[in-house]
Amino acid sequence: SQQGEEDPQALSIQEGENATMNCSYKTSINNLQWYRQNSGRGLVHLILIRSNEREKHSGRLRVTLDTSKKSSSLLITASRAADTASYFCATDYGDKLIFGTGTRLQVFP
Amino acid sequence: DAGITQSPRHKVTETGTPVTLRCHQTENHRYMYWYRQDPGHGLRLIHYSYGVKDTDKGEVSDGYSVSRSKTEDFLLTLESATSSQTSVYFCATQWGLAGPGADTQYFGPGTRLTVL
Repeated sequence: SQQGEEDPQALSIQEGENATMNCSYKTSINNLQWYRQNSGRGLVHLILIRSNEREKHSGRLRVTLDTSKKSSSLLITASRAADTASYFCATDYGDKLIFGTGTRLQVFP
Repeated sequence: DAGITQSPRHKVTETGTPVTLRCHQTENHRYMYWYRQDPGHGLRLIHYSYGVKDTDKGEVSDGYSVSRSKTEDFLLTLESATSSQTSVYFCATQWGLAGPGADTQYFGPGTRLTVL
């Protein structure tokens, strides 16, 4: 299976703290994307980082990519209760994405 | 968000019966995808389409077939449903492969299927 893995599987933090999630994958990629899923809903795209990029920012999100280690991390700064959701990395192999197993983030007020 | 709807949203069926799930999009996106989501496995690709009448298998295609006779509709069929196909099914669309925003996928709300 090409499916990537994320860790931790679950993360609980207080509002205002930073949350870091990691993603590892197995084969060379075109780009890597992060998606968010609120309970019972479809996934929503957050950010994309290309294979020739090392870091990217979008609002309170910071993504890094290390192609030599085949890993990526998503940092959410100053987290809010509304950030409570599951977060998935997805590796892009051209015409399809392979999703990781996800990290469940719980942010307590 | 891309206009993606899935029907039905919930379905309970019995083992051995055929089931068809429908995904409808209004964005004229070229690519369409069917995933299943199960605890501990995240999302796994079942089948996808890169154009009308053009489809290919994903990671977990056994027991599933698809059809796309027009751009806006992508059907997923379970020919003879089994309990192992109890899952939440998501449809997604993607505009293309190149260009700004082309490789972002947009997801429908999901269909919860229970096979008894």
